[in-house]
Amino acid sequence: AQRVTQPEKLLSVFKGAPVELKCNYSYSGSPELFWYVQYSRQRLQLLLRHISRESIKGFTADLNKGETSFHLKKPFAQEEDSAMYYCALRSAGGGNKLTFGTGTQLKVEL
Amino acid sequence: GAGVSQTPSNKVTEKGKYVELRCDPISGHTALYWYRQSLGQGPEFLIYFQGTGAADDSGLPNDRFFAVRPEGSVSTLKIQRTERGDSAMYLCASSWDHNSPLHFGNGTRLTVT
Repeated sequence: AQRVTQPEKLLSVFKGAPVELKCNYSYSGSPELFWYVQYSRQRLQLLLRHISRESIKGFTADLNKGETSFHLKKPFAQEEDSAMYYCALRSAGGGNKLTFGTGTQLKVEL
Repeated sequence: GAGVSQTPSNKVTEKGKYVELRCDPISGHTALYWYRQSLGQGPEFLIYFQGTGAADDSGLPNDRFFAVRPEGSVSTLKIQRTERGDSAMYLCASSWDHNSPLHFGNGTRLTVT
């Protein structure tokens, strides 16, 4: 069975500090990993996907198959980054049947 | 354009009652999904429609849950004999196809008293 683990329920950082939201997964095959974000009073939306290898709003995430991790990073946190972040996994051929982690609430303090 | 629309936004019902939750996907999106999110948890997959047919209903917890999408657009999630454990946020999402990015609605918060 596949599983996504986000060990931190809450992460609090100061504005301008680096951010790392942790995500580990267990899956026997070759997964595709995503980060979704939910800002206050907004709907859940896709932030980035590992196959795109892109930087969105200054965030990046690298899939590390050896450590089965897909941590989300940003070098300098901004106040507007405060939100709930969910890591999600798609199994091979799984389409949009995603397995989500429990989420990490990021709070950026001034 | 309009995003995924879910109605009602909140639903309070008594244990044992029947409820229907509606999802209106983005126009042209062929794939539609229902997820359920309990407090403190991430969304959990319930069912996926491709067009009018349920392509994967493996996430439905039991036979009290049923969903339809008769014309390949609007979908209704139906819950019979509701239980307090059914209380959760029910999220609908749609996408152009099974692999393109998901667009979520705002959800229906169901409370069973």
